[in-house]
Amino acid sequence: AIQLTQSPSSLSASVGDRITITCRASQGISSPLAWYQQKPGKAPKFLINDASSLESGVPSRFSGSGSGTDFTLTISSLQPEDFGTYYCQHFNSYPLTFGGGTKVEIK
Amino acid sequence: EVQLVESGGGLVQPGGSLRLSCAASGFTFSSYSMNWVRQAPGKGLEWVTYVSSTGSPIYYADSVKGRFTISRDNAKNSLYLQMNSLRAEDTAVYYCSREAFGLGSYKFDYWGQGTLVTVSS
Repeated sequence: AIQLTQSPSSLSASVGDRITITCRASQGISSPLAWYQQKPGKAPKFLINDASSLESGVPSRFSGSGSGTDFTLTISSLQPEDFGTYYCQHFNSYPLTFGGGTKVEIK
Repeated sequence: EVQLVESGGGLVQPGGSLRLSCAASGFTFSSYSMNWVRQAPGKGLEWVTYVSSTGSPIYYADSVKGRFTISRDNAKNSLYLQMNSLRAEDTAVYYCSREAFGLGSYKFDYWGQGTLVTVSS
């Protein structure tokens, strides 16, 4: 099974900061990862696959990129409502897996 | 409006069984693959199982293979998860999710609110 390792596991940043979350795969992946945001007590929400696949209604400050084994989710200007835990997910082969999550806190 | 509503969770003893349901509405259910994803208390997301739009193929995580069975009834717009031989480590919120494909990539674009399964004596 492909393992996805996210870093950092948590971060605290200020409003307006640019933050980057990394997701590294244990082997090369041929299709973009999916990224989700989850807030406490809520179901995950799909955000983006790559730079060209931003979900409708998701602010343009979110962007995704990467290929092969290294992928990133970037928030260009962190907003108060961006708190939560972010997960990456691959669709390369079964079993599907998620990364361990990155908890984002607002300072 | 797309809606996925899970039901059937609850408290069950180790070794017991439970059947989860997911009622879908607001889209053509028979056109989409579906998945179950779970989340243990305070932990991350774990993919559990997949079923294609037609009912085959089906895939399972190793952690549930041989114990859980996914199925669907396209006439009833419903997805199911039969869980047998339950263990304490199966305790989690179980989400059903719709799988979509677009712009060259996949995503779980809609999720239910989740149903809690607690395995304990």
